[in-house]
Amino acid sequence: EVQLLESGGGLVQPGGSLRLSCAASGFTFSNYAMSWVRQAPGKGLEWVSAISGRGDTTSYADSLKGRFTISRDNSKNTLYLQMNSLRAEDTAIYSCAKSPNIDSGWFDPWGQGTLVTVSS
Amino acid sequence: QSALTQPASVSGSPGQSITISCTGTSSDVGSYNLVSWYQQHPGKAPKLMIFEGTKRPSGVSSRFSGSKSGNTASLTISGLQAEDEADYYCCSYAGFSAFVFGTGTNVTVL
Repeated sequence: EVQLLESGGGLVQPGGSLRLSCAASGFTFSNYAMSWVRQAPGKGLEWVSAISGRGDTTSYADSLKGRFTISRDNSKNTLYLQMNSLRAEDTAIYSCAKSPNIDSGWFDPWGQGTLVTVSS
Repeated sequence: QSALTQPASVSGSPGQSITISCTGTSSDVGSYNLVSWYQQHPGKAPKLMIFEGTKRPSGVSSRFSGSKSGNTASLTISGLQAEDEADYYCCSYAGFSAFVFGTGTNVTVL
């Protein structure tokens, strides 16, 4: 059974940094692309970033303007999201999701997510 | 990467059919057959219902179907059931390995 378990969320002050992790199991991690998607409280889904299976191709939402960095460690079956210069509007549940490849256009399954709260 | 436009809410009676639209542009929905649809119940992770515009993952009911015309994709739920009450989101490939989600539609079963 495919399992994705996010961690690393919490309360951080504006301008601060946080690194999220997504531990994967139940599939050959390096064979699949991974993405981060976020959902602000009571709001809709927003795609954040994606990375290819080998980690050599990455993509980001334009709105992030270089503040976030996606990476993966295939030896640890773990996906990461480094978030810098955090703003109140980054407050959301951040979920990781699996894709056949970085351009496949669909995400399945999703983790339950980890909550990031940016507030002073 | 502007969000795709969906109706805020759609409702129907049990057994009826409803259709949720998802309008994008010629840069996303109109350019690629890579629209996916997700069902999200409150407090739960989104679930893939349709991928590549019209395909259903294993285990998803045949009552769910997808289509596309021009810059607008659609999700149809036939034989509406109480368990279908949820939020639904479309998502489209937007080129350069980027994606854009829809604004979301709340489906109510009357």
